[in-house]
Amino acid sequence: KAGVTQTPRYLIKTRGQQVTLSCSPISGHRSVSWYQQTPGQGLQFLFEYFSETQRNKGNFPGRFSGRQFSNSRSEMNVSTLELGDSALYLCASSLVGTGSTSPLHFGNGTRLTVT
Amino acid sequence: QKEVEQDPGPLSVPEGAIVSLNCTYSNSAFQYFMWYRQYSRKGPELLMYTYSSGNKEDGRFTAQVDKSSKYISLFIRDSQPSDSATYLCAGSDDDAGGTSYGKLTFGQGTILTVHP
Repeated sequence: KAGVTQTPRYLIKTRGQQVTLSCSPISGHRSVSWYQQTPGQGLQFLFEYFSETQRNKGNFPGRFSGRQFSNSRSEMNVSTLELGDSALYLCASSLVGTGSTSPLHFGNGTRLTVT
Repeated sequence: QKEVEQDPGPLSVPEGAIVSLNCTYSNSAFQYFMWYRQYSRKGPELLMYTYSSGNKEDGRFTAQVDKSSKYISLFIRDSQPSDSATYLCAGSDDDAGGTSYGKLTFGQGTILTVHP
């Protein structure tokens, strides 16, 4: 079974630009979550989508947004990029979200560098 | 204070050693606990997944959860150089109320090196 696929693997953007990252979950998984990983803050939860609806959101500014499509694929968007947005962005999928039968499985991430 | 505290190490052990990795947490609502392994330039890989207190064993790996002391551990027996990675502990509460959908709270990760 194919794992979680994230594209692109690497991105370099300039301050003020916007960026869109893509995630394809494991087949059959309907929940997609996004995380930001930095050396200073570690892994931080951004948001979670299920059946095209955002069910949960972390403590990030409105510049960070996402969406989910009917095939469960998801995208996240960061607008007006800041230097501090440089990070590894990880997508994770699960059957229905956290819970006893639904652990999260992560992709290899998109490394975003903002210059 | 972070909800999940983890000693970042680094931890260096000889091949064949027993490795003990530990985390403490402060959120009493946590019911699910996970250990992930992350190699350089890769995403976290799920190693162990446990519910509430108790032990769980899978091959060379044993996870322990003690909810009374809010302490979680991962033991690696007969460690191998291929075990060299960053190990992340994480906790999550029930999905009741929806506040935990998709949300894991991670420790900072422990960097482990197993040398031949």
